[in-house]
This record gives sequence, C-alpha cells and structure tokens, in this order.
Amino acid sequence: AQTVTQSQPEMSVQEAETVTLSCTYDTSENNYYLFWYKQPPSRQMILVIRQEAYKQQNATENRFSVNFQKAAKSFSLKISDSQLGDTAMYFCAFMKGGTASKLTFGTGTRLQVTL
Amino acid sequence: GAVVSQHPSWVICKSGTSVKIECRSLDFQATTMFWYRQFPKQSLMLMATSNEGSKATYEQGVEKDKFLINHASLTLSTLTVTSAHPEDSSFYICSARDAGADSPLHFGNGTRLTVT
Repeated sequence: AQTVTQSQPEMSVQEAETVTLSCTYDTSENNYYLFWYKQPPSRQMILVIRQEAYKQQNATENRFSVNFQKAAKSFSLKISDSQLGDTAMYFCAFMKGGTASKLTFGTGTRLQVTL
Repeated sequence: GAVVSQHPSWVICKSGTSVKIECRSLDFQATTMFWYRQFPKQSLMLMATSNEGSKATYEQGVEKDKFLINHASLTLSTLTVTSAHPEDSSFYICSARDAGADSPLHFGNGTRLTVT
C-alpha cells in the first residue's frame, strides 16, 4: 500500500515571499503520478501541479514548482511570490499508473499567506 | 475543461433517514468515479471506487450496506447514505476521470451532510 506523508501541519509565509511545502511518499511501484492539490475555504479541490514519475524534469506551473527526488521519494512544492489567494490547505497525493487508479492523499498542510 | 457536478452541495436530514448524493461528469464519460469523505480539518479518505455497470469496490472499514453506490451510466454515480446517524455528518466529495491513463482526476464541489 502507498502512503503519503506531509510533516508540516501549518505553514505561514508573507506575501511576495517563497515557501516550500514538504511531502514524502512510500511505494514499490515504478509507474506512478504525484500531485499537489489546493483546497481553499470553499473546499473545492483544485489541481495545482502534477508530476509523472518517469519524467526527470521537475514540473512547473507559473509560480508553482516541484522538487521531485525519486530515489528519496520526496515531492516538495515551492510557491514563489506568494499571494493572499494562495491561502488554503495543500494536499500531496499519489496515484499508481493505470486507468482506474485512485488518489491517496497526505494529511495536508494549512498555508496562511500574510500581509 | 472537464467538469464534475455534485448535488446537493449541502443537505440536512434527520437520524434514520436516507440521503442520496449525485455525481455527474458533464462533458466526458467516466467509467470510474471515486467517493471520498472528509472530516473537518482532515484529509480526504477514499470510501469506494464506483465502476460503471458493476459493483463498487469499497475500502476497508467502509460499510457497504450503509453507503450504497450506484454507477448506472457513464456520466452518473450516486452515493446513498442509508439510515443516517449524526456520526455520518461529514463532507463527501466525488471525483471522476476522463478516459486514458494520463487523464487527471476532476473533483465535484462536495456535499456537506449534517444529520440531526
């Protein structure tokens, strides 16, 4: 079974600064995907970024980038130029390759962006 | 982009009654949908995998007879909480996936269930 661990229950960052959220996972699979989801107070799950395990290059989406260390099974999210709208719960998630695979979520990190 | 519609967004019911939650994929077909449950300030826990035209696959510890799942078409899955009790009060979220192994999961907006 896969496990996803987020060791930071809460983080705080000032507007315009950079913050990194940690995530580690455990799996014996070779074909898998990793995700970061954002859940604002509205509770809508919003996909922030995804990484295919077979790709060595770290994924980036505008101000969001990941540091994917496959051997270490680490998948951290870096948010640059933080904005007030980034305040939310962030969940790291794992999914095996395959058409009917489910997502396994970490426990989440609550990020507060302050003025 | 792909949209998943979940209805109702919130519901209040009395103990002992049943509640049905619908999850629809609006512009794509989903052979597989997933039902998650989220308690306040906690993560999403997978309850079951809903497979079109066949029985759902439940996660360990989830009561099949309590949480009935029906996936009768490629665009609709329903979760029925039967004989609801206050401890069933929670936030329920469905997700669905476009065909293809590389497709991302799309989430509904969730349903807040309160059992009084």
